[in-house]
Formats: sequence, C-alpha cells, structure tokens
Amino acid sequence: AQTVTQSQPEMSVQEAETVTLSCTYDTSESNYYLFWYKQPPSRQMILVIRQEAYKQQNATENRFSVNFQKAAKSFSLKISDSQLGDTAMYFCAFMKHGNKLVFGAGTILRVKS
Amino acid sequence: GAGVSQSPSNKVTEKGKDVELRCDPISGHTALYWYRQRLGQGLEFLIYFQGNSAPDKSGLPSDRFSAERTGESVSTLTIQRTQQEDSAVYLCASSLQSSGANVLTFGAGSRLTVL
Repeated sequence: AQTVTQSQPEMSVQEAETVTLSCTYDTSESNYYLFWYKQPPSRQMILVIRQEAYKQQNATENRFSVNFQKAAKSFSLKISDSQLGDTAMYFCAFMKHGNKLVFGAGTILRVKS
Repeated sequence: GAGVSQSPSNKVTEKGKDVELRCDPISGHTALYWYRQRLGQGLEFLIYFQGNSAPDKSGLPSDRFSAERTGESVSTLTIQRTQQEDSAVYLCASSLQSSGANVLTFGAGSRLTVL
C-alpha cells in the first residue's frame, strides 16, 4: 500500500519570505501522480499543484513550485513571496493511475505579518 | 452544478442514531470519493466509486458504514448506530476519470457531531 509522510506538523513563515514543505512517499509503482492540496479555515480543499511522475520537469504554478525527486520519493512544495492568504493546512497526496488519492497527515502553515 | 455539493453542512445527532450524508458530484464526473477528517487531522479514505466498476470499500472502518451511488450521480454515505468517535467532517470529491492526472474537486464537507 502507498503511504505519504509529511514530517512537519506545523510551520511558520514571515510574509514575503519563502517556505518549503516536505513530503515523502512510498510506492513500488512507476506511473503515478502527486498533488499538493490546501485547506484554509473554511475547510474547502483547493488544488495547489500537481505532478506527473513520468515528467522530469518540476511543476510550477505562479508562486508555488515543487521539487520532485523520483528516486528519493520526495515531493516538496516551495511557496515564494508568502502571503497572509497562504495560511492553511497543506496536504501532500499520491495517486496511482486510476486509483484513490492517499493523503499525508498535513502541515499547518502560518504566515505572519 | 458548478461544484460538488454536500448536505447537510452540519449534523448533530445522538449516539445510536443513523445518519445519511449526501453528495452531488459535478455533472459528468465518473469518479466519486468519500473521505473522513477528524479534527486537526488528515483525510482518511473511506470509499471510491468509478463508473460501473465495483466500488473500492477498503477504507470503510466498520460494517456500520455503507455508501451507495446511483449511476454517475448522487451518492449517500450512511452511518448506522452512530458512535462518538464518528464525529468528524465527511468530505466528498469527484473527478473526471481520464488517462491523465485525476484532479479531485472537493465539496465543503458535512460536519457530523455525535453527542
């Protein structure tokens, strides 16, 4: 079974600075997808970024980028120029092709002014 | 509809009562998922429906939990003889199954409180 580990229960960052959230996963699959979801206090889950395992290039979405290390089974999220609205719980998630999405335990990110 | 709709948004019940939670997925989405999120914790997979295939029920915690889906439409999660440990937010998500990455769109959740 696939597992996803987020080793940082909580993180803090000053507004406008950069923060990196860690995620590792365990799988024997070669074809899979990785995601970061954000859950603000409203509890609505919002997709931040996704990565296909067969793509070597790291995904980027505006201020959000990932460092995908397939051999190391690592998928960290970098948030640049942090904003107060980035305060949320961030979940790393793994999906085998055509299968269910498995989540990590989450990292609470607090952006301070 | 434009998004995934869940009802009720909040439900308070007494221990031992049965509850039904409803999920309306995005029209055309063939895959539907239920997750449970206890306070301050991650999302725990419960069940996954994909088209006409047999559902993946591997995450259901006990036989008190069951879910149904009518075709590629509405799903109902039923919890019988509720216990206090069932208190959680129940999240539904749907996706357009394709050969690419299956991006899930989540509903706002149903918060269940068992007294």
